[in-house]
Amino acid sequence: GAGVSQSPRYKVAKRGQDVALRCDPISGHVSLFWYQQALGQGPEFLTYFQNEAQLDKSGLPSDRFFAERPEGSVSTLKIQRTQQEDSAVYLCASSLGWGDYEQYFGPGTRLTVT
Amino acid sequence: AQSVTQLDSHVSVSEGTPVLLRCNYSSSYSPSLFWYVQHPNKGLQLLLKYTSAATLVKGINGFEAEFKKSETSFHLTKPSAHMSDAAEYFCVPNQGGKLIFGQGTELSVKP
Repeated sequence: GAGVSQSPRYKVAKRGQDVALRCDPISGHVSLFWYQQALGQGPEFLTYFQNEAQLDKSGLPSDRFFAERPEGSVSTLKIQRTQQEDSAVYLCASSLGWGDYEQYFGPGTRLTVT
Repeated sequence: AQSVTQLDSHVSVSEGTPVLLRCNYSSSYSPSLFWYVQHPNKGLQLLLKYTSAATLVKGINGFEAEFKKSETSFHLTKPSAHMSDAAEYFCVPNQGGKLIFGQGTELSVKP
């Protein structure tokens, strides 16, 4: 079936603008994860959902970052008042469950803040 | 908590020669480990995973990894490199459901 999809693939924002990044997980996957990958680095965990419940948001770097998954499927990562340090690739992953399940990644959204 | 060390930041091989990407782990219990690959400007793709069912794990595209508890290692190997294998490789522990990525190993393949 279809994999994880993310949109937009590329986003350029002026500093101070708000952005919204969308993730469509694999159908039937109850777990959804967001990661941030800075240039030349490995991805870093941001937050995790089990269905519509956000069970872990320990990786969100500031209160400008907000994620939601209201119906337990599509998720949106919102960044308010973007800063240059927010420039990164934002990766979404989904899995059948929490724990040892494989996580399947989308292509990512490359955010550039100017 | 689990952590891993990828011993090489960059590995270069010739096409058709074996690939060895080294990963050592540190864990107080049997770890859950994955190898992921990331091609330039692409998302992450799962190569294989270890979850204690078998020490030799076969993955996609001819890759495999052997979990050696005595050496605390989970090295990734492939008998014969292909140009399309050039990418960034991550050895990733699963820590309570979260994947903990390090810097990775960049694999270059020379013709």
